[in-house]
Amino acid sequence: EPEVTQTPSHQVTQMGQEVILRCVPISNHLYFYWYRQILGQKVEFLVSFYNNEISEKSEIFDDQFSVERPDGSNFTLKIRSTKLEDSAMYFCASSAQGQGYNEQFFGPGTRLTVL
Amino acid sequence: ELKVEQNPLFLSMQEGKNYTIYCNYSTTSDRLYWYRQDPGKSLESLFVLLSNGAVKQEGRLMASLDTKARLSTLHITAAVHDLSATYFCAADRDDKIIFGKGTRLHILP
Repeated sequence: EPEVTQTPSHQVTQMGQEVILRCVPISNHLYFYWYRQILGQKVEFLVSFYNNEISEKSEIFDDQFSVERPDGSNFTLKIRSTKLEDSAMYFCASSAQGQGYNEQFFGPGTRLTVL
Repeated sequence: ELKVEQNPLFLSMQEGKNYTIYCNYSTTSDRLYWYRQDPGKSLESLFVLLSNGAVKQEGRLMASLDTKARLSTLHITAAVHDLSATYFCAADRDDKIIFGKGTRLHILP
């Protein structure tokens, strides 16, 4: 069964460093998403991406965040200068369509720890 | 601004009992989702509800949507221990998805 994969599973970084979180969505999906979940809290939407551009983003997704689909398979989230409060679980998701029955499939997540 | 509220946030129940989790959202939404999350794991899609009166069932879980009341419910029938998890509802508008805080469900044997 096709699934969304994410690497690395755990990333530890120093405050101020740049990190890139990688995702491989399900191959025939066209809509891609990033979410984050601070430990024990709710899931927060960061950004949605379609046709090589951002379709929607939240207030959390400020200038230190960026997303890219560098090739036909990967979807990346870059955090330019990490802060302590960026420590969270980051989930990537993909869906086959954005309208109608939009079932999103989530990856296993990357745990980001900023020291 | 779209807001999503779930209640209860914590629920401890006996096996074999029925219970309902409620999800209210503040403005018109394109879709309503229910997800399950086990501790330390990712989110598993349970239901996607599109239209008023939609009802979907999978095993002991049944979800419904009332768009006029801006309310979705997740009903658990004859709970079993395997259903212990955190359940999130989420609503989306224009491809921006807002999650509720989640309901941590603990089913006692």
